[in-house]
Parts: sequence; C-alpha cells; structure tokens
Amino acid sequence: ELKVEQNPLFLSMQEGKNYTIYCNYSTTSDRLYWYRQDPGKSLESLFVLLSNGAVKQEGRLMASLDTKARLSTLHITAAVHDLSATYFCAVDLSAMDSNYQLIWGAGTKLIIKP
Amino acid sequence: EPEVTQTPSHQVTQMGQEVILRCVPISNHLYFYWYRQILGQKVEFLVSFYNNEISEKSEIFDDQFSVERPDGSNFTLKIRSTKLEDSAMYFCARQKRNRKTQYFGPGTRLLVL
Repeated sequence: ELKVEQNPLFLSMQEGKNYTIYCNYSTTSDRLYWYRQDPGKSLESLFVLLSNGAVKQEGRLMASLDTKARLSTLHITAAVHDLSATYFCAVDLSAMDSNYQLIWGAGTKLIIKP
Repeated sequence: EPEVTQTPSHQVTQMGQEVILRCVPISNHLYFYWYRQILGQKVEFLVSFYNNEISEKSEIFDDQFSVERPDGSNFTLKIRSTKLEDSAMYFCARQKRNRKTQYFGPGTRLLVL
C-alpha cells in the first residue's frame, strides 16, 4: 500500500522559532510537492522537488528531498504569524508506469503565535 | 500563473441527484485532474485526464463518477447519483506539458443533504 506520512500533524509554535515538518513516503518517486492551504481556500503550490538532493528555498521556507531515504522536509526559519496554514506534501507517481496521480500526506496544521 | 476557474463555487443538492462540476482550463495545459477533500481531511485523487482520455482513476472514482471535456474547453466532473459521503471540496488541477507543478482551482464546495 502506498503511504505518505507527515509529522507532526499539528504544530503550535512561537514566532521567531525554527521547526521542521517531515514527509515520509513508501514508494519509489523522484517528484515531491509541497502545498499550502489556508482555511477554506485552495491549494497553493510552494515547492516542486524533482530529484534526489533537491533543495529549494522561498523566504522563510526551505524544502529538501532525499529519494533514497524517501524523505522530504519543510523547514521553517524564524516563523512569522503569516505562515500559519496547513501544509501538505504530495508524492508524484508519474515516474512509475505513467501513473498520473499525486498521493497526499494528511497535512500539518501549523499555528504560529505572536 | 493564471487562475483556474471552477463553477459553481458552492452547490447544495439532495441525495440521489446528479451534479456537474466544471473547470475552465488553460489552453496550453494538457493534463487535468480532479481531487476531493472532505472537510478537515487529506486531499484524495479522483482522476487524471490527458488527451481527452482518462489516464488514471482511483478507487473512489466508481461508476457514479464520470469526466469529460464536452466542448473542448470546459472539463467536467459528473456525479450521477450523489450520496451523503460525496459532500466535500472538489478541486480541479491542471498541469503543463512539462508535468511539473499542478495548479489548483479554487474548488467547488458540494453539500449533499
């Protein structure tokens, strides 16, 4: 069974702190996506990681991918309130038999307190 | 990226009724997807569509569901006989030829009573 597991599922932190969200997956894939979702809103693409060792940064967020460990991380540096949202990772199965779908983690609800 | 348009934004229907959800794609995007998200839960893949054909579908996408692109522009998801458990947000997503990022529409909130 294909699994994408995120942890933690819920994270409450203070502004200015650093933290990491983890995404483990059980299948072979070299494509992984991170999305942000605000309450009641759609899914906003944050990062596309397309190869082993890929690292991408945007503002206070940095994502990395280790395909050998089947692990991606989303690191938050010096968190600010505006980053409060739910963050999803999704694994792209398209490298396997042209299987066009994303398998999603359960999401990490991040609350950043002033 | 230009936004994906989905209509309607909200729909309330009675159990057993048919609903059609619409997505207006961008002309240079070749891959289209439907996902659903039950309130507070994870995003679930329903179906992918490429070159006017279904590429892949999940176990959720049973005989009650269908997709088509009837006029070559709008991409539709039809639920023939809705059930209570079909209540969810339905997102259309699209992808360019390079098959990198999937861009999501604003979603249609479906409530089945």
